[in-house]
Amino acid sequence: DVKVTQSSRYLVKRTGEKVFLECVQDMDHENMFWYRQDPGLGLRLIYFSYDVKMKEKGDIPEGYSVSREKKERFSLILESASTNQTSMYLCASSYPDRYYGYTFGSGTRLTVV
Amino acid sequence: AQSVTQPDIHITVSEGASLELRCNYSYGATPYLFWYVQSPGQGLQLLLKYFSGDTLVQGIKGFEAEFKRSQSSFNLRKPSVHWSDAAEYFCAVHTNQAGTALIFGKGTTLSVSS
Repeated sequence: DVKVTQSSRYLVKRTGEKVFLECVQDMDHENMFWYRQDPGLGLRLIYFSYDVKMKEKGDIPEGYSVSREKKERFSLILESASTNQTSMYLCASSYPDRYYGYTFGSGTRLTVV
Repeated sequence: AQSVTQPDIHITVSEGASLELRCNYSYGATPYLFWYVQSPGQGLQLLLKYFSGDTLVQGIKGFEAEFKRSQSSFNLRKPSVHWSDAAEYFCAVHTNQAGTALIFGKGTTLSVSS
């Protein structure tokens, strides 16, 4: 079964810490995405990547960066975590053809205290 | 800018009753359209999609959706709801513009009463 795996299901970090959220896919997908999900706001795009070492800003990139050194791995980095970054983070991957839609991971619920 | 509107934040339906979840989009051309479902504590699962052809599309779990170009809508329907359908449902669109990603609505939470 194809999968998008997010390394942590739950994470608690302190304000000011540097936080790494890891995502790995085993489907040889070119595209990978990071979304943030908050109640009443739906899913908002943080960053995405169409190829190794490439990245594109989404709608809410402030306070975040990403890294894609290998095709299967896409990392989201919170440079200095803040309480307003407490949220559910969802990683997804896809083929370049929009027809196929995205495959999502189970999410990482991050709490910043 | 492209956008997706799901007018209903929360819907409660009796088990066995029919269901319709509304979705409207804003985009000049016909986008690729998707419905996803998220069970509590889980990621999103693709229910169905539309990109061209027959405007009534069938998906998994007995769901279907109808694309209406004149209304810029892509409503999700199910003839008879089961308790296991209780979840959050997201409509999403993908435009034909290069360098873009899926745009999601804010979601509709479905509760099923017995």
